[in-house]
Amino acid sequence: NAGVTQTPKFQVLKTGQSMTLQCAQDMNHEYMSWYRQDPGMGLRLIHYSVGAGITDQGEVPNGYNVSRSTTEDFPLRLLSAAPSQTSVYFCASSYTGSNQPQHFGDGTRLSIL
Amino acid sequence: GQQLNQSPQSMFIQEGEDVSMNCTSSSIFNTWLWYKQDPGEGPVLLIALYKAGELTSNGRLTAQFGITRKDSFLNISASIPSDVGIYFCAGLSYQTGANNLFFGTGTRLTVIP
Repeated sequence: NAGVTQTPKFQVLKTGQSMTLQCAQDMNHEYMSWYRQDPGMGLRLIHYSVGAGITDQGEVPNGYNVSRSTTEDFPLRLLSAAPSQTSVYFCASSYTGSNQPQHFGDGTRLSIL
Repeated sequence: GQQLNQSPQSMFIQEGEDVSMNCTSSSIFNTWLWYKQDPGEGPVLLIALYKAGELTSNGRLTAQFGITRKDSFLNISASIPSDVGIYFCAGLSYQTGANNLFFGTGTRLTVIP
């Protein structure tokens, strides 16, 4: 039962470096999303995808890119990391439809120095 | 983005006590969800609510979807030490598209044995 797998679990970057956070799910879910979690602010949606080849922006998309070339994978890219992007990042997936619960990965803790 | 106000921010209770937390929104949601997050892990779905006025139980947990569709509460009865964690409410609106969730800021629960 792999579910949603995120790698790496921890990463430290210098300002200006690029980085790709990986997310994979083995449940054949159409919908995948990325959230960031900051202290006292809950989780906020960065980008989402309703299927392979389709992506869209969430609440806080600036500084992040995504692509969805396969149903299983949904990587999140930071092209030029900034200290404000220090956060814990969560990937989630579900079947489409508003009554489908989302399954979350265990997160990637990212620090930008 | 849509604002979800969750209260209280934190709670310290004795083992065996009941717990109540709630979430309010300025906007209408079509689905309310309650998640629990343990340290170092992603949120795990506890209860999903799909209709205004709906009252749903999951073991010692009970949650209700407010009749106005702008609020929800979660009750935990007879708390035990493993209830410790952060509880998040989340709302889903058809207007915002797909399965995009808006999260509350969380309630940190500490259970004193």
